[in-house]
Amino acid sequence: DTAVSQTPKYLVTQMGNDKSIKCEQNLGHDTMYWYKQDSKKFLKIMFSYNNKELIINETVPNRFSPKSPDKAHLNLHINSLELGDSAVYFCASSQAIGEPDTQYFGPGTRLTVL
Amino acid sequence: GQNIDQPTEMTATEGAIVQINCTYQTSGFNGLFWYQQHAGEAPTFLSYNVLDGLEEKGRFSSFLSRSKGYSYLLLKELQMKDSASYLCAPVDSNYQLIWGAGTKLIIKP
Repeated sequence: DTAVSQTPKYLVTQMGNDKSIKCEQNLGHDTMYWYKQDSKKFLKIMFSYNNKELIINETVPNRFSPKSPDKAHLNLHINSLELGDSAVYFCASSQAIGEPDTQYFGPGTRLTVL
Repeated sequence: GQNIDQPTEMTATEGAIVQINCTYQTSGFNGLFWYQQHAGEAPTFLSYNVLDGLEEKGRFSSFLSRSKGYSYLLLKELQMKDSASYLCAPVDSNYQLIWGAGTKLIIKP
């Protein structure tokens, strides 16, 4: 069984469209994250949720809206996609927040905006 | 500010030993992670150090010096499958991982 799964793996879309990426973890973790990894390979934290509650919200355009229906799921919705949104988006989870827990990553979603 | 410094790229020979260095400056410190990321794949956990010294785990070892803001990852008996990027990620006072850009390690036969 996959520990952290994301769908879709690849997403190609036109500028201006709205798209969603889904993430699920079956590790029983309390905390989930969204990261963006650009072409320079920097992993940038976007959001962190702990038990469905938003904990970290870095400087991210409000076109990006995370939604956590339960602690095993954290979805990312992106409105009005722009060329600069092209990147690989990783979902991750960890046991808890407030301690240096190992983060487990999903396989990533490669988003290409044309 | 917070800063991570790692070499961008390193090359080593199969069977050899390589040391990947990382220096960091963070607001507070709660340990340091090393992750491995193969091209096109997700980062995977390698090690976590919170105390000074060397932690050995099979062919991989990780060292930490908190006073120097310095860590290294030591890979022994290199195999072709070790070709990957190695990410250094110290943990700040908010327990947030601060990620470097990683070191791309190329293994040659």
